[in-house]
Amino acid sequence: EVQLVESGGGLVQPGRSLRLSCAASGFTFDDYAMHWVRQAPGKGLEWVSGISWNSGSIGYADSVKGRFTISRDNAKNSLYLQMNSLRAEDTALYYCAKDPQYYYGSGSAFDIWGQGTMVTVSS
Amino acid sequence: DIQMTQSPSSLSASVGDRVTITCRASQSISSYLNWYQQKPGKAPKLLIYAASSLQSGVPSRFSGSGSGTDFTLTISSLQPEDFATYYCQQSYSTGFGPGTKVDIK
Repeated sequence: EVQLVESGGGLVQPGRSLRLSCAASGFTFDDYAMHWVRQAPGKGLEWVSGISWNSGSIGYADSVKGRFTISRDNAKNSLYLQMNSLRAEDTALYYCAKDPQYYYGSGSAFDIWGQGTMVTVSS
Repeated sequence: DIQMTQSPSSLSASVGDRVTITCRASQSISSYLNWYQQKPGKAPKLLIYAASSLQSGVPSRFSGSGSGTDFTLTISSLQPEDFATYYCQQSYSTGFGPGTKVDIK
């Protein structure tokens, strides 16, 4: 069964850091680009970051650029999101999502999603 | 940045109705447009990719059309399980529309 399982969310104070993980199974992880997408409570979807199959191409939304870092470990079938200098507006459910293509860029879509991990930034 | 708009923001419809949702991009995105369905408490589901290609396993009552800046998602005969929020996503530079909530009339 194709599956993505996120972990690492929780309650964190503004300015602090958090690292999210996504464990993939049921498909050849290193054949595909991967992404993080978030959804604030009661709001719409926001793409956060994407990474190509070999980490050669990476992109970020302007709202997180310079604060968040995406990475992957193909040997461990895992995707990560290091989130630094967290703000209240980063509060959201963070989804890990698989891209049907190997590269990140034009044409990216999200064909498999995890169930998300909640990040709450509050003092 | 490419801005995406959707209309309407919400609609009420009955089972069996034909439903059309529109998505508009602030600049041409060719056919780089995907559609997703999200039900409460669930992750989104890919319905249509590249503007008009039906994702595997998605019922044929869903269809997509358009290119350039104007796109539509059509549900030919609304079913009870189709009540949800629908998002378009431009994959030219990656970004979502604000969503259209479809609920029961």
